[in-house]
Amino acid sequence: GDSVTQMEGPVTLSEEAFLTINCTYTATGYPSLFWYVQYPGEGLQLLLKATKADDKGSNKGFEATYRKETTSFHLEKGSVQVSDSAVYFCALPSRDYKLSFGAGTTVTVRA
Amino acid sequence: NAGVTQTPKFRILKIGQSMTLQCAQDMNHNYMYWYRQDPGMGLKLIYYSVGAGITDKGEVPNGYNVSRSTTEDFPLRLELAAPSQTSVYFCASSYAGSNTEAFFGQGTRLTVV
Repeated sequence: GDSVTQMEGPVTLSEEAFLTINCTYTATGYPSLFWYVQYPGEGLQLLLKATKADDKGSNKGFEATYRKETTSFHLEKGSVQVSDSAVYFCALPSRDYKLSFGAGTTVTVRA
Repeated sequence: NAGVTQTPKFRILKIGQSMTLQCAQDMNHNYMYWYRQDPGMGLKLIYYSVGAGITDKGEVPNGYNVSRSTTEDFPLRLELAAPSQTSVYFCASSYAGSNTEAFFGQGTRLTVV
Protein backbone atom coordinates (compact mmCIF):
# COMPACT_ATOMS: atom_id res chain seq x y z
CA GLY A 1 0.00 0.00 0.00
CA ASP A 2 0.90 3.67 -0.12
CA SER A 3 3.43 4.63 2.51
CA VAL A 4 6.19 7.05 3.48
CA THR A 5 9.58 6.34 4.99
CA GLN A 6 11.12 9.12 6.98
CA MET A 7 14.62 9.70 8.22
CA GLU A 8 15.17 8.55 11.79
CA GLY A 9 15.89 11.07 14.49
CA PRO A 10 16.51 12.69 16.77
CA VAL A 11 18.34 15.57 15.15
CA THR A 12 20.14 18.19 17.24
CA LEU A 13 21.42 21.36 15.59
CA SER A 14 22.80 24.75 16.52
CA GLU A 15 20.94 27.91 15.58
CA GLU A 16 21.51 29.02 11.98
CA ALA A 17 22.51 25.52 10.89
CA PHE A 18 21.08 23.86 7.78
CA LEU A 19 18.37 21.28 8.32
CA THR A 20 17.33 18.49 6.01
CA ILE A 21 14.93 15.65 6.81
CA ASN A 22 14.63 12.90 4.23
CA CYS A 23 11.29 11.45 3.17
CA THR A 24 10.64 8.89 0.45
CA TYR A 25 7.30 7.53 -0.61
CA THR A 26 5.68 4.54 -2.26
CA ALA A 27 2.44 5.25 -4.03
CA THR A 28 0.33 4.37 -7.01
CA GLY A 29 -0.17 7.46 -9.10
CA TYR A 30 0.92 10.88 -7.98
CA PRO A 31 -0.71 11.84 -4.71
CA SER A 32 -0.23 15.12 -2.89
CA LEU A 33 2.55 15.10 -0.32
CA PHE A 34 2.58 16.89 3.01
CA TRP A 35 4.86 17.91 5.84
CA TYR A 36 3.19 18.36 9.22
CA VAL A 37 4.85 19.83 12.31
CA GLN A 38 4.06 19.16 15.96
CA TYR A 39 5.32 21.73 18.45
CA PRO A 40 5.70 20.63 22.09
CA GLY A 41 2.36 19.97 23.76
CA GLU A 42 0.34 20.67 20.63
CA GLY A 43 -1.42 18.80 17.85
CA LEU A 44 -0.07 18.52 14.34
CA GLN A 45 -0.41 21.38 11.90
CA LEU A 46 0.25 21.56 8.21
CA LEU A 47 3.67 23.01 7.41
CA LEU A 48 3.63 22.72 3.62
CA LYS A 49 2.29 20.64 0.78
CA ALA A 50 2.92 19.87 -2.87
CA THR A 51 0.23 18.57 -5.16
CA LYS A 52 2.14 17.35 -8.23
CA ALA A 53 5.57 16.37 -9.49
CA ASP A 54 8.20 19.15 -9.43
CA ASP A 55 6.00 21.30 -7.19
CA LYS A 56 7.85 23.08 -4.41
CA GLY A 57 5.99 23.68 -1.17
CA SER A 58 7.28 26.41 1.12
CA ASN A 59 6.34 27.99 4.43
CA LYS A 60 8.16 29.64 7.38
CA GLY A 61 11.49 29.27 5.56
CA PHE A 62 11.00 25.54 5.00
CA GLU A 63 10.93 24.04 1.51
CA ALA A 64 10.29 20.63 0.00
CA THR A 65 10.25 19.60 -3.67
CA TYR A 66 8.11 16.75 -4.96
CA ARG A 67 10.52 14.61 -7.00
CA LYS A 68 8.89 11.70 -8.79
CA GLU A 69 12.16 10.39 -10.29
CA THR A 70 13.53 9.71 -6.81
CA THR A 71 10.10 9.37 -5.09
CA SER A 72 11.25 11.86 -2.49
CA PHE A 73 9.94 14.91 -0.66
CA HIS A 74 12.84 16.04 1.53
CA LEU A 75 12.29 18.93 3.93
CA GLU A 76 14.95 21.66 4.12
CA LYS A 77 15.57 24.90 5.94
CA GLY A 78 18.66 27.00 5.42
CA SER A 79 18.97 28.57 8.87
CA VAL A 80 17.07 27.08 11.78
CA GLN A 81 15.96 28.87 14.92
CA VAL A 82 15.27 27.61 18.43
CA SER A 83 11.56 28.01 17.67
CA ASP A 84 11.86 25.32 14.97
CA SER A 85 12.34 22.67 17.64
CA ALA A 86 9.50 20.25 16.98
CA VAL A 87 8.57 16.87 15.57
CA TYR A 88 8.21 16.78 11.79
CA PHE A 89 6.05 14.26 9.92
CA CYS A 90 5.98 13.44 6.25
CA ALA A 91 2.55 12.25 5.06
CA LEU A 92 0.65 11.17 1.98
CA PRO A 93 -3.05 10.50 1.45
CA SER A 94 -4.30 7.04 0.56
CA ARG A 95 -7.38 6.04 -1.37
CA ASP A 96 -9.52 5.35 1.65
CA TYR A 97 -9.40 8.87 3.09
CA LYS A 98 -6.57 8.34 5.51
CA LEU A 99 -3.18 9.96 5.77
CA SER A 100 -0.16 7.69 6.01
CA PHE A 101 2.42 9.28 8.30
CA GLY A 102 6.11 8.70 8.65
CA ALA A 103 7.47 7.87 12.10
CA GLY A 104 8.32 11.50 12.79
CA THR A 105 11.68 13.21 13.24
CA THR A 106 12.38 15.09 16.45
CA VAL A 107 14.43 18.22 15.84
CA THR A 108 16.07 20.15 18.67
CA VAL A 109 17.75 23.47 17.93
CA ARG A 110 20.18 24.79 20.54
CA ALA A 111 20.92 28.49 20.98
CA ASN B 1 -11.09 30.32 16.23
CA ALA B 2 -11.85 27.09 18.08
CA GLY B 3 -11.03 24.63 15.27
CA VAL B 4 -10.89 21.07 16.69
CA THR B 5 -11.46 20.74 20.42
CA GLN B 6 -10.62 17.60 22.35
CA THR B 7 -11.43 16.78 25.95
CA PRO B 8 -10.01 15.74 28.32
CA LYS B 9 -6.32 16.63 27.88
CA PHE B 10 -5.12 13.99 30.30
CA ARG B 11 -6.68 10.89 31.83
CA ILE B 12 -5.58 7.92 33.86
CA LEU B 13 -7.75 4.81 33.63
CA LYS B 14 -7.61 1.53 35.44
CA ILE B 15 -7.58 -1.69 33.45
CA GLY B 16 -11.13 -2.64 32.51
CA GLN B 17 -12.61 0.83 32.87
CA SER B 18 -14.35 2.61 30.02
CA MET B 19 -14.30 6.19 28.87
CA THR B 20 -15.24 8.47 25.99
CA LEU B 21 -12.85 10.93 24.40
CA GLN B 22 -14.74 13.92 23.09
CA CYS B 23 -14.01 15.71 19.83
CA ALA B 24 -15.82 18.66 18.30
CA GLN B 25 -15.05 20.84 15.30
CA ASP B 26 -16.65 24.10 14.25
CA MET B 27 -15.42 24.28 10.66
CA ASN B 28 -18.33 22.33 9.12
CA HIS B 29 -15.93 19.65 7.91
CA ASN B 30 -17.46 16.41 6.71
CA TYR B 31 -14.36 14.29 7.31
CA MET B 32 -13.21 13.45 10.81
CA TYR B 33 -10.52 11.09 12.09
CA TRP B 34 -9.16 9.54 15.25
CA TYR B 35 -5.44 8.76 15.41
CA ARG B 36 -3.23 7.38 18.12
CA GLN B 37 0.39 8.41 18.44
CA ASP B 38 2.92 6.07 19.97
CA PRO B 39 6.61 6.99 20.38
CA GLY B 40 8.62 6.37 17.22
CA MET B 41 5.59 4.96 15.41
CA GLY B 42 4.04 8.01 13.80
CA LEU B 43 0.26 8.20 13.84
CA LYS B 44 -2.06 5.28 13.26
CA LEU B 45 -5.66 5.74 12.13
CA ILE B 46 -8.24 4.23 14.48
CA TYR B 47 -11.54 5.26 12.88
CA TYR B 48 -12.72 7.84 10.41
CA SER B 49 -15.99 9.33 9.23
CA VAL B 50 -16.91 10.92 5.91
CA GLY B 51 -20.09 12.51 7.20
CA ALA B 52 -22.80 12.35 9.84
CA GLY B 53 -24.07 8.81 10.28
CA ILE B 54 -21.11 7.22 8.43
CA THR B 55 -18.08 5.70 10.14
CA ASP B 56 -15.44 3.20 9.12
CA LYS B 57 -12.49 1.36 10.60
CA GLY B 58 -8.92 2.49 10.15
CA GLU B 59 -5.72 0.53 10.76
CA VAL B 60 -6.10 -0.15 14.49
CA PRO B 61 -9.81 -0.20 15.46
CA ASN B 62 -9.81 -3.06 17.98
CA GLY B 63 -10.89 -1.98 21.45
CA TYR B 64 -12.48 1.25 20.23
CA ASN B 65 -15.82 2.45 18.95
CA VAL B 66 -17.09 5.69 17.44
CA SER B 67 -20.31 7.40 16.49
CA ARG B 68 -21.10 10.42 14.34
CA SER B 69 -24.58 11.68 15.00
CA THR B 70 -23.79 15.27 14.00
CA THR B 71 -21.31 16.94 11.66
CA GLU B 72 -19.60 18.62 14.62
CA ASP B 73 -19.01 15.74 17.04
CA PHE B 74 -17.01 12.54 16.74
CA PRO B 75 -16.54 10.84 20.13
CA LEU B 76 -14.22 7.86 20.60
CA ARG B 77 -15.27 5.20 23.09
CA LEU B 78 -12.83 2.89 24.85
CA GLU B 79 -14.43 -0.18 26.35
CA LEU B 80 -12.49 -2.35 28.81
CA ALA B 81 -9.30 -0.31 28.80
CA ALA B 82 -6.03 -2.20 28.45
CA PRO B 83 -2.39 -1.08 28.99
CA SER B 84 -1.84 -1.35 25.22
CA GLN B 85 -4.22 1.60 24.83
CA THR B 86 -1.84 3.91 26.68
CA SER B 87 -1.13 6.51 24.03
CA VAL B 88 -1.77 10.06 22.87
CA TYR B 89 -5.00 10.35 20.92
CA PHE B 90 -5.61 12.99 18.28
CA CYS B 91 -8.83 13.93 16.61
CA ALA B 92 -8.65 15.65 13.23
CA SER B 93 -10.97 16.99 10.58
CA SER B 94 -10.69 17.99 6.95
CA TYR B 95 -12.91 19.63 4.40
CA ALA B 96 -12.62 17.12 1.58
CA GLY B 97 -10.77 13.97 2.54
CA SER B 98 -7.09 13.20 3.08
CA ASN B 99 -5.92 15.16 0.04
CA THR B 100 -6.78 18.39 1.83
CA GLU B 101 -5.33 19.93 4.96
CA ALA B 102 -6.17 18.11 8.18
CA PHE B 103 -6.74 20.17 11.32
CA PHE B 104 -5.79 18.50 14.57
CA GLY B 105 -6.90 18.89 18.15
CA GLN B 106 -4.34 19.26 20.93
CA GLY B 107 -4.55 15.62 21.90
CA THR B 108 -5.54 13.50 24.88
CA ARG B 109 -2.80 11.74 26.81
CA LEU B 110 -4.27 8.51 28.17
CA THR B 111 -2.55 6.18 30.61
CA VAL B 112 -4.04 2.80 31.48
CA VAL B 113 -2.69 1.28 34.70
